[in-house]
Amino acid sequence: AQSVTQLGSHVSVSEGALVLLRCNYSSSVPPYLFWYVQYPNQGLQLLLKYTTGATLVKGINGFEAEFKKSETSFHLTKPSAHMSDAAEYFCAVSDGQGAQKLVFGQGTRLTINP
Amino acid sequence: NAGVTQTPKFQVLKTGQSMTLQCAQDMNHEYMSWYRQDPGMGLRLIHYSVGAGITDQGEVPNGYNVSRSTTEDFPLRLLSAAPSQTSVYFCASSHPGGGGGYTFGSGTRLTVV
Repeated sequence: AQSVTQLGSHVSVSEGALVLLRCNYSSSVPPYLFWYVQYPNQGLQLLLKYTTGATLVKGINGFEAEFKKSETSFHLTKPSAHMSDAAEYFCAVSDGQGAQKLVFGQGTRLTINP
Repeated sequence: NAGVTQTPKFQVLKTGQSMTLQCAQDMNHEYMSWYRQDPGMGLRLIHYSVGAGITDQGEVPNGYNVSRSTTEDFPLRLLSAAPSQTSVYFCASSHPGGGGGYTFGSGTRLTVV
């Protein structure tokens, strides 16, 4: 069975500071990994994904994440936070097979301080 | 291109009532899923479908039914609503294989009193 753990339900950073949201996963097969963002009262939007190939993946809005198999991690980073980045972020894993059922972490709410 | 459309956006039900949450997608996606989102628990899979006529249970299927008569539609039925089903429900769709990730609807906020 697959699982996802997001370290920290709330993260607060200053505008212009580095954003680091942590995600660790458990999977018995090579995983597909995703980060989604949810703005208030909206659905989830795909930020970036890792399936195969290059382990450093770049997404929208300046975010990137690195797949580290040895650490079973897929942490999300952004060099300089912007006020518009305030949202909830979800890490998810699937086995890339069958129905690609996604297993989500519990989410991390990112607050940006001016 | 509307993507994934969910209706209604908000609903209040009394305990024991039934209702159907509608979900439609216009991207010709074969895979469709229903998730519920509860505070501190992320999103949990209720039911999913890999194509018309094929459905299966997810992590939290009790109290919900689904059917998939067309590629476009994947309604979620609550047979007898309970307060524990108060949640935000998301429908999502995807192409099979390739790890493309799901496209999500904007959600239905359901309150059962």
